[in-house]
Amino acid sequence: AQSVTQLDSQVPVFEEAPVELRCNYSSSVSVYLFWYVQYPNQGLQLLLKYLSGSTLVKGINGFEAEFNKSQTSFHLRKPSVHISDTAEYFCAVSNFGNEKLTFGTGTRLTIIP
Amino acid sequence: NAGVTQTPKFQVLKTGQSMTLQCAQDMNHNSMYWYRQDPGMGLRLIYYSASEGTTDKGEVPNGYNVSRLNKREFSLRLESAAPSQTSVYFCASSERGRQETQYFGPGTRLLVL
Repeated sequence: AQSVTQLDSQVPVFEEAPVELRCNYSSSVSVYLFWYVQYPNQGLQLLLKYLSGSTLVKGINGFEAEFNKSQTSFHLRKPSVHISDTAEYFCAVSNFGNEKLTFGTGTRLTIIP
Repeated sequence: NAGVTQTPKFQVLKTGQSMTLQCAQDMNHNSMYWYRQDPGMGLRLIYYSASEGTTDKGEVPNGYNVSRLNKREFSLRLESAAPSQTSVYFCASSERGRQETQYFGPGTRLLVL
């Protein structure tokens, strides 16, 4: 069975500072990895996804993530955050032969002016 | 192009009452999903439908039923609501395949007293 761990439930960051949101996954087979963002009182929308190829994936709004197979991680980064990045971020994984996504518990990113 | 729509946006029920949450998508997607979101638990899959005419249980199906009415619509029914079903419910849709992006509706906030 697959699982996703987001160890940080909340991350406060000063505006214009860099941020890293951590995600580790567990799976016995090959995986596809996703980051979704949920702005206040909205549904989720895709930030980026890793399917194959280059391990560095670029997404919307200046976010990027790096797939590290040996460490089973898919951490999300942004070099300089803005107030508008305030949201909850979810890492998710899907296994080979399984259309279902397994989500992590989410990380709430708070930007401090 | 409205994407994924959900009705109602808010609902208050008494224990034992029944209700149906409606979901529709206009993207001609084959797969549709129902999730619930609870604080600190991320999103958990209740039911999903890989194609019109098929449904399958997710992680937390107890107390719920679903109907894939046609390709566009996927409803979730609570036959006898319980306080433990107080949550935010999200519907999502995607093309068929585990690599595909899921598109989420705005959610239904349900309170069961």
